[in-house]
This record gives sequence, structure tokens and C-alpha cells, in this order.
Amino acid sequence: NAGVMQNPRHLVRRRGQEARLRCSPMKGHSHVYWYRQLPEEGLKFMVYLQKENIIDESGMPKERFSAEFPKEGPSILRIQQVVRGDSAAYFCASSPVTGNNQPQHFGDGTRLSIL
Amino acid sequence: QKEVEQNSGPLSVPEGAIASLNCTYSDRGSQSFFWYRQYSGKSPELIMFIYSNGDKEDGRFTAQLNKASQYVSLLIRDSQPSDSATYLCAGDGGATNKLIFGTGTLLAVQP
Repeated sequence: NAGVMQNPRHLVRRRGQEARLRCSPMKGHSHVYWYRQLPEEGLKFMVYLQKENIIDESGMPKERFSAEFPKEGPSILRIQQVVRGDSAAYFCASSPVTGNNQPQHFGDGTRLSIL
Repeated sequence: QKEVEQNSGPLSVPEGAIASLNCTYSDRGSQSFFWYRQYSGKSPELIMFIYSNGDKEDGRFTAQLNKASQYVSLLIRDSQPSDSATYLCAGDGGATNKLIFGTGTLLAVQP
């Protein structure tokens, strides 16, 4: 499967635990974007990364959330001390290069549920 | 605050008709616009993108862009029940290519 791969597909955490969401971009893509979709709402941009660099984190909450895209391995979105309001679908998208006109292709998402 | 606005619908059309989905955007600096289809519980799937004024056709789909009016639309000809989904309009949000999404329009094609 050459598409954007996200895992896990579903993740259940209790309040106060940590959630780690993983994303491997499409083959040949070096740009990764994370979006969050709350129930009955649209997709909201969170963060844009290239290998070993955070380019734009303007949509990321200032506390408890962090993201990385190491030289080797998938991009990780980490949520510490989760709260019920973190329950959402988290989508990762990738593109081959940055700049306008570059469509982003989405993975299947991780559905995060907080008990 | 850059915004993309869509009518949430639902937009109901009979099978075989033309479905017209509309979107407006606030940021005149946006250059590229994307239409994604999202089935319930699934991920967004890219349908079309457009960055030049005018029309762009791909099979049963036509995207239209009018930068002067800050208006984007998607026409679906010969609508099928399988086209029933939420259609998300997105514009590029600046130099980093982040996408600004509308809340989506729910399309229901009636057999």
C-alpha cells in the first residue's frame, strides 16, 4: 500500500494518559501535515513538518501537544495528559513538495476516544 | 482569521441530476483550492484541485474558480447514490501550504 499510513486506527485512553499517533507519508513524500476533526466539525490544521523540522505549528495547542518527524521512522503526534475534549479523529496528510498547487493526500486517520 | 465557508446542507438531488456545491473564502492571498469527498467515518479523498480562474473538468466533476468573487464551486454531473457524502472545500492558507477547510456540505443523491 503506497498511501499514507496511520496507526493505530482506533485508540482508547483514560484521562491523564498519553496518546501517540503515528503517520508514515506516501512514498516519495517528505512533507507531513496533521489535522484534527472534532465531531460534527470541519478539519482543523494542527502542524506541518518536514524531516527533523517543524515548519508551522500555528494550529497546535500550546500545552500537552507535540509533534515530530525524525530522520528515520514515522511522524508522531503526541498528546500528554489527555482530556475528554481531545476525543476526535486525527488525520495525517502528505505531499511531495511544499508550495501552492500541491494536493495533500490523507491517511485513514486515528480515532481517539478518551474515557 | 482566514475562513472558508460552505452551506452545511443537506443538499438533496435526484439520481442523474447535476449537484452544485459552493464555497466562499475570505483570504485573497489564497491561490489553490481543493475539493475532498468524505464518507461518514472515513478519511477525506481528493476529488479535484484548481488554481486558475475558470473551469476545470475531470470526468463527471467540474471545479470552478472565480477569484474576483472569492468563490469556488464543484459541479457533479449525472449524480449517483454513491456520490452521497460530505464534500469539503479547502483553500491554501499561506506559504506553508496548510489547508483551511470549510465545514463541508452533505450531499444526498436520491435513487
